Amino acid sequence: ETVLTQSPGTLSLSPGERATLSCRASQSVRSNSLAWYQQKPGQAPRLLIYGASSRATGIPDRFSGSGSGTDFTLTISRLEPEDFAVYYCQQYGNSLFTFGPGTKVDIK
Amino acid sequence: QVQLQQWGAGLLKPSQTLSLTCAVYGGSFRGYYWSWIRQPPGKGLGWIGEINHSGTTNYNPSLESRVTISVDTSSKQVFLRMSFVTAADTAVYYCARSPITGSTMNVFDIWGQGTLVTVSS
Repeated sequence: ETVLTQSPGTLSLSPGERATLSCRASQSVRSNSLAWYQQKPGQAPRLLIYGASSRATGIPDRFSGSGSGTDFTLTISRLEPEDFAVYYCQQYGNSLFTFGPGTKVDIK
Repeated sequence: QVQLQQWGAGLLKPSQTLSLTCAVYGGSFRGYYWSWIRQPPGKGLGWIGEINHSGTTNYNPSLESRVTISVDTSSKQVFLRMSFVTAADTAVYYCARSPITGSTMNVFDIWGQGTLVTVSS
């Protein structure tokens, strides 16, 4: 099973600042099987990024994904008030989906 | 616009069987895997298993002995049954769609609203 580790656990930033979230895998992940989700309280997760770097439909271009192998990054270029939420990475391999523990982005 | 609508019993006693239904509205049922994913209160996401329109299933090995996922293509519904529940199974349960092919395969692009299931004596 591929274990995903996310850092930091919590990121405290102000609106307008840049957020950089990390997702590290215990073994190499195919880039087309790495995704990022945003979850707000009381809501289902929403797909942001698929294939490590492609934005899902309707996702603003301030969200970008990068990385390959075992190290992946989600960047939010300028935080908007609606971006304060929890972000999860997810991978698929060997017929098993796994999620990272999440990074909470909160208001400083 | 595709929507996933879930329902099922929200309060169970230990050793009972959890039963949830997920209905697909406004889109195709074929060409996708339909997964169940759960989230304990205040915690992260865990994948339970998936099924496609022809009934092919894949399960998380950690839950496989207690879980059955089935499908009714005529009504475009997916079902989750989990036997012998304990307090550790208390969670919000989501159904979610993942394309079988294409650039968004192996990701969950549409989610249900979630159903809170509480196991308590």
